[in-house]
Amino acid sequence: QVQLVQSGAEVKKPGASVKVSCKASGYTFTSYDINWVRQATGQGLEWMGWMNPNSGNTGYAQKFQGRVTMTRNTSISTAYMELSSLRSEDTAVYYCARGALLQAWFDPWGQGTLVTVSS
Amino acid sequence: QSVLTQPPSASGTPGQRVTISCSGSSSNIGSNYVYWYQQLPGTAPKLLIYRNNQRPSGVPDRFSGSKSGTSASLAISGLRSEDEADYYCAAWDDSLSADVVFGGGTKLTVL
Repeated sequence: QVQLVQSGAEVKKPGASVKVSCKASGYTFTSYDINWVRQATGQGLEWMGWMNPNSGNTGYAQKFQGRVTMTRNTSISTAYMELSSLRSEDTAVYYCARGALLQAWFDPWGQGTLVTVSS
Repeated sequence: QSVLTQPPSASGTPGQRVTISCSGSSSNIGSNYVYWYQQLPGTAPKLLIYRNNQRPSGVPDRFSGSKSGTSASLAISGLRSEDEADYYCAAWDDSLSADVVFGGGTKLTVL
């Protein structure tokens, strides 16, 4: 079945960077975009951006431009999201989700990765 | 503040029909498909409705979506206790920033 499995929880200090992985299985990795969405505790969903695993092209939400980098390794069907200059407000669960270009279609989602930013 | 506007809460009793609204603008709902996601407590969101009113396989036909102009709605009929969850609408936004925008979410309580 189509599945996205993410890396485990992270604890980082303010100013550091975090890199979350998302391993795809059950479909052709290069045929669909990978999107990243985050959710702070008790809050709503916030879209961060997309990456096309075939071309490597990316599109980032304005809020995260300059701080986020989305990459992939097609040989192991894995996407990565790196967020730099972390601050306490970045504490959230980060989800990857399979998507399609210029649409808000996300299916399925990864299980989520909790990133805690604390001194 | 979310670009798409949803009521923060909704409620109903088992068997009832409830609707959740989602209001946007011409650059998002008015010109693109609307999607709905269900997030059960402690789990990742799940696609519930795609392209305004289509159900993925496995989603009961108790769930339906509609869109008119710059607004959309999710209807749940024959409400069940397991429907208690957070529901989010989403759409692509064609404005300069070209983003995906979400509603703030609606917490559905089954009384």
